[in-house]
Amino acid sequence: EVQLVDSGGGLVQPGRSLRLSCAASGFTFDEYAMHWVRQAPGKGLEWVSGINWNSGSTSYADSVKGRFVISRDNAKNSLYLQMNSLRLEDTAFYYCAKDRVPMRPAADATAFDYWGQGTLVTVSS
Amino acid sequence: AIRMTQSPSSLSASTGDRVTITCRASQAIGFYLAWYQQKPGKAPKFLIYAASTLQSGVPSRFSGSGSGTDFTLTISCLQSEDFATYYCQQYYSYPLTFGGGTKVELK
Repeated sequence: EVQLVDSGGGLVQPGRSLRLSCAASGFTFDEYAMHWVRQAPGKGLEWVSGINWNSGSTSYADSVKGRFVISRDNAKNSLYLQMNSLRLEDTAFYYCAKDRVPMRPAADATAFDYWGQGTLVTVSS
Repeated sequence: AIRMTQSPSSLSASTGDRVTITCRASQAIGFYLAWYQQKPGKAPKFLIYAASTLQSGVPSRFSGSGSGTDFTLTISCLQSEDFATYYCQQYYSYPLTFGGGTKVELK
Protein backbone atom coordinates (compact mmCIF):
# COMPACT_ATOMS: atom_id res chain seq x y z
CA GLU A 1 0.00 0.00 0.00
CA VAL A 2 1.37 3.39 -1.00
CA GLN A 3 1.81 5.72 1.97
CA LEU A 4 3.08 9.30 2.07
CA VAL A 5 3.47 10.87 5.50
CA ASP A 6 4.05 14.62 5.64
CA SER A 7 5.70 16.27 8.64
CA GLY A 8 7.59 19.37 9.74
CA GLY A 9 4.87 22.01 9.69
CA GLY A 10 4.31 24.50 12.46
CA LEU A 11 4.10 28.15 13.45
CA VAL A 12 6.94 30.31 12.16
CA GLN A 13 7.60 34.03 12.01
CA PRO A 14 7.85 35.90 8.71
CA GLY A 15 11.35 35.78 7.27
CA ARG A 16 12.27 32.55 9.07
CA SER A 17 12.83 29.07 7.64
CA LEU A 18 11.18 25.68 7.93
CA ARG A 19 11.91 22.26 6.47
CA LEU A 20 9.13 19.87 5.51
CA SER A 21 9.58 16.12 5.07
CA CYS A 22 7.61 13.40 3.35
CA ALA A 23 8.27 9.76 4.19
CA ALA A 24 7.28 7.36 1.42
CA SER A 25 6.56 3.64 1.49
CA GLY A 26 4.76 0.98 -0.51
CA PHE A 27 6.34 1.76 -3.87
CA THR A 28 9.78 2.02 -5.47
CA PHE A 29 10.48 5.61 -4.42
CA ASP A 30 13.52 6.17 -6.62
CA GLU A 31 11.50 5.52 -9.79
CA TYR A 32 9.03 8.36 -9.38
CA ALA A 33 9.09 12.12 -9.56
CA MET A 34 7.66 13.78 -6.46
CA HIS A 35 5.99 17.12 -5.86
CA TRP A 36 4.72 19.53 -3.24
CA VAL A 37 1.25 21.06 -3.55
CA ARG A 38 -0.18 23.54 -1.06
CA GLN A 39 -3.61 24.76 -0.07
CA ALA A 40 -4.27 27.89 1.94
CA PRO A 41 -7.05 27.33 4.50
CA GLY A 42 -10.40 27.40 2.72
CA LYS A 43 -8.78 27.96 -0.69
CA GLY A 44 -7.85 25.94 -3.77
CA LEU A 45 -4.82 23.87 -4.70
CA GLU A 46 -1.51 25.39 -5.81
CA TRP A 47 1.41 23.39 -7.17
CA VAL A 48 4.64 24.45 -5.45
CA SER A 49 7.56 22.39 -6.67
CA GLY A 50 8.62 19.11 -8.25
CA ILE A 51 11.72 16.95 -8.51
CA ASN A 52 12.37 14.13 -10.93
CA TRP A 53 13.25 10.58 -9.90
CA ASN A 54 17.03 11.04 -9.75
CA SER A 55 17.13 14.70 -8.57
CA GLY A 56 18.43 15.71 -12.00
CA SER A 57 15.66 18.22 -12.54
CA THR A 58 13.63 20.49 -10.30
CA SER A 59 10.90 23.01 -10.98
CA TYR A 60 9.19 25.70 -8.93
CA ALA A 61 6.17 27.94 -8.99
CA ASP A 62 7.09 31.58 -9.50
CA SER A 63 5.63 32.37 -6.07
CA VAL A 64 8.36 30.35 -4.31
CA LYS A 65 11.26 30.44 -6.76
CA GLY A 66 14.47 31.56 -5.09
CA ARG A 67 13.05 30.94 -1.59
CA PHE A 68 12.13 27.23 -1.52
CA VAL A 69 14.37 24.27 -2.35
CA ILE A 70 13.05 20.78 -3.08
CA SER A 71 15.28 17.74 -2.55
CA ARG A 72 15.05 14.01 -2.03
CA ASP A 73 17.05 11.21 -0.46
CA ASN A 74 16.27 8.00 -2.32
CA ALA A 75 18.21 5.93 0.21
CA LYS A 76 15.80 7.14 2.89
CA ASN A 77 12.67 7.15 0.70
CA SER A 78 12.17 10.76 1.67
CA LEU A 79 11.22 14.05 0.03
CA TYR A 80 12.00 17.46 1.49
CA LEU A 81 11.04 21.10 1.06
CA GLN A 82 13.34 23.72 2.54
CA MET A 83 11.33 26.90 2.89
CA ASN A 84 13.30 30.11 3.45
CA SER A 85 12.25 33.75 3.78
CA LEU A 86 8.73 32.70 4.64
CA ARG A 87 5.90 35.13 4.01
CA LEU A 88 2.41 35.46 5.43
CA GLU A 89 1.01 34.20 2.12
CA ASP A 90 2.92 30.92 2.46
CA THR A 91 0.48 29.87 5.18
CA ALA A 92 -1.11 26.66 3.93
CA PHE A 93 -1.41 22.92 4.21
CA TYR A 94 1.49 21.38 2.31
CA TYR A 95 0.99 18.01 0.65
CA CYS A 96 3.60 15.80 -0.95
CA ALA A 97 2.30 14.05 -4.06
CA LYS A 98 3.54 11.20 -6.21
CA ASP A 99 3.81 11.14 -9.99
CA ARG A 100 1.52 8.63 -11.66
CA VAL A 101 4.15 7.35 -14.12
CA PRO A 102 7.58 5.91 -13.26
CA MET A 103 10.82 7.19 -14.76
CA ARG A 104 9.07 10.08 -16.46
CA PRO A 105 11.37 12.33 -18.53
CA ALA A 106 12.30 15.42 -16.57
CA ALA A 107 10.51 17.85 -18.87
CA ASP A 108 7.17 16.04 -18.73
CA ALA A 109 4.48 17.41 -16.47
CA THR A 110 2.38 15.07 -14.40
CA ALA A 111 -0.78 14.15 -12.55
CA PHE A 112 -0.61 12.94 -8.93
CA ASP A 113 -1.96 9.53 -7.99
CA TYR A 114 -1.16 9.57 -4.25
CA TRP A 115 -1.00 12.39 -1.74
CA GLY A 116 0.27 12.75 1.81
CA GLN A 117 -2.10 13.77 4.58
CA GLY A 118 -0.70 17.30 4.62
CA THR A 119 1.19 19.36 7.17
CA LEU A 120 0.11 22.87 8.19
CA VAL A 121 2.55 25.75 7.93
CA THR A 122 1.42 28.95 9.63
CA VAL A 123 3.48 32.08 9.04
CA SER A 124 2.59 34.71 11.59
CA SER A 125 4.27 37.25 13.82
CA ALA B 1 0.85 29.93 -17.00
CA ILE B 2 -2.22 28.06 -18.22
CA ARG B 3 -5.32 29.24 -16.41
CA MET B 4 -7.94 26.63 -15.50
CA THR B 5 -11.49 27.84 -14.94
CA GLN B 6 -14.12 25.61 -13.38
CA SER B 7 -17.86 26.12 -13.38
CA PRO B 8 -19.96 26.25 -11.41
CA SER B 9 -18.03 27.09 -8.25
CA SER B 10 -20.71 25.29 -6.28
CA LEU B 11 -23.87 23.33 -6.92
CA SER B 12 -26.64 21.74 -4.89
CA ALA B 13 -27.86 18.30 -5.83
CA SER B 14 -29.71 15.31 -4.44
CA THR B 15 -28.66 11.70 -4.17
CA GLY B 16 -29.35 10.01 -7.49
CA ASP B 17 -28.90 13.17 -9.56
CA ARG B 18 -26.66 13.44 -12.58
CA VAL B 19 -24.04 16.12 -12.04
CA THR B 20 -21.76 17.78 -14.59
CA ILE B 21 -18.78 20.02 -13.81
CA THR B 22 -16.97 21.99 -16.49
CA CYS B 23 -13.28 22.90 -16.70
CA ARG B 24 -11.88 25.26 -19.32
CA ALA B 25 -8.20 25.82 -20.09
CA SER B 26 -6.87 29.18 -21.27
CA GLN B 27 -5.01 27.40 -24.09
CA ALA B 28 -5.20 23.98 -25.71
CA ILE B 29 -3.83 21.20 -23.49
CA GLY B 30 -4.72 18.14 -25.55
CA PHE B 31 -5.87 15.40 -23.19
CA TYR B 32 -3.51 16.38 -20.34
CA LEU B 33 -6.24 16.88 -17.78
CA ALA B 34 -6.81 15.24 -14.39
CA TRP B 35 -9.66 15.38 -11.88
CA TYR B 36 -9.48 15.11 -8.09
CA GLN B 37 -12.03 14.83 -5.29
CA GLN B 38 -11.39 16.42 -1.92
CA LYS B 39 -13.40 16.05 1.27
CA PRO B 40 -13.06 18.44 4.23
CA GLY B 41 -9.88 17.88 6.21
CA LYS B 42 -8.57 15.30 3.77
CA ALA B 43 -6.01 15.17 0.98
CA PRO B 44 -7.24 15.19 -2.61
CA LYS B 45 -8.09 11.83 -4.16
CA PHE B 46 -7.09 11.06 -7.75
CA LEU B 47 -10.09 10.23 -9.96
CA ILE B 48 -9.32 10.63 -13.66
CA TYR B 49 -6.32 11.25 -15.91
CA ALA B 50 -5.86 11.80 -19.64
CA ALA B 51 -9.22 13.56 -19.52
CA SER B 52 -11.28 10.37 -19.49
CA THR B 53 -9.33 7.44 -17.99
CA LEU B 54 -10.59 6.33 -14.59
CA GLN B 55 -7.97 5.64 -11.95
CA SER B 56 -8.13 2.09 -10.65
CA GLY B 57 -10.77 1.70 -7.96
CA VAL B 58 -12.80 4.76 -8.91
CA PRO B 59 -16.52 3.92 -9.34
CA SER B 60 -17.81 3.82 -12.90
CA ARG B 61 -20.45 6.46 -12.14
CA PHE B 62 -17.60 8.95 -12.59
CA SER B 63 -16.64 9.83 -16.14
CA GLY B 64 -14.60 12.48 -17.88
CA SER B 65 -14.60 13.86 -21.38
CA GLY B 66 -13.17 16.60 -23.52
CA SER B 67 -9.99 17.68 -25.21
CA GLY B 68 -8.21 20.85 -26.18
CA THR B 69 -9.68 23.55 -23.94
CA ASP B 70 -13.04 22.20 -22.75
CA PHE B 71 -13.52 19.32 -20.34
CA THR B 72 -16.28 17.86 -18.20
CA LEU B 73 -16.55 15.61 -15.16
CA THR B 74 -19.87 13.78 -14.85
CA ILE B 75 -21.22 11.84 -11.90
CA SER B 76 -24.04 9.78 -13.36
CA CYS B 77 -25.91 8.94 -10.15
CA LEU B 78 -24.76 10.97 -7.17
CA GLN B 79 -24.12 8.99 -3.99
CA SER B 80 -23.85 10.33 -0.44
CA GLU B 81 -20.08 9.81 -0.44
CA ASP B 82 -19.71 12.01 -3.54
CA PHE B 83 -20.51 15.26 -1.75
CA ALA B 84 -17.13 16.95 -1.89
CA THR B 85 -15.10 19.54 -3.79
CA TYR B 86 -13.75 18.61 -7.22
CA TYR B 87 -10.67 20.07 -8.89
CA CYS B 88 -9.33 19.82 -12.42
CA GLN B 89 -5.60 20.07 -13.12
CA GLN B 90 -3.67 20.51 -16.35
CA TYR B 91 -0.40 18.68 -16.83
CA TYR B 92 0.36 19.88 -20.34
CA SER B 93 3.10 22.19 -19.13
CA TYR B 94 4.74 23.71 -16.09
CA PRO B 95 3.69 25.39 -13.92
CA LEU B 96 1.06 22.77 -13.15
CA THR B 97 -2.22 24.55 -12.48
CA PHE B 98 -5.56 23.67 -10.92
CA GLY B 99 -9.05 24.96 -11.39
CA GLY B 100 -10.62 26.86 -8.53
CA GLY B 101 -12.79 23.92 -7.47
CA THR B 102 -16.47 22.98 -7.58
CA LYS B 103 -18.21 22.22 -4.31
CA VAL B 104 -21.01 19.66 -4.63
CA GLU B 105 -23.44 20.10 -1.77
CA LEU B 106 -26.58 18.34 -0.63
CA LYS B 107 -29.76 20.10 -1.76
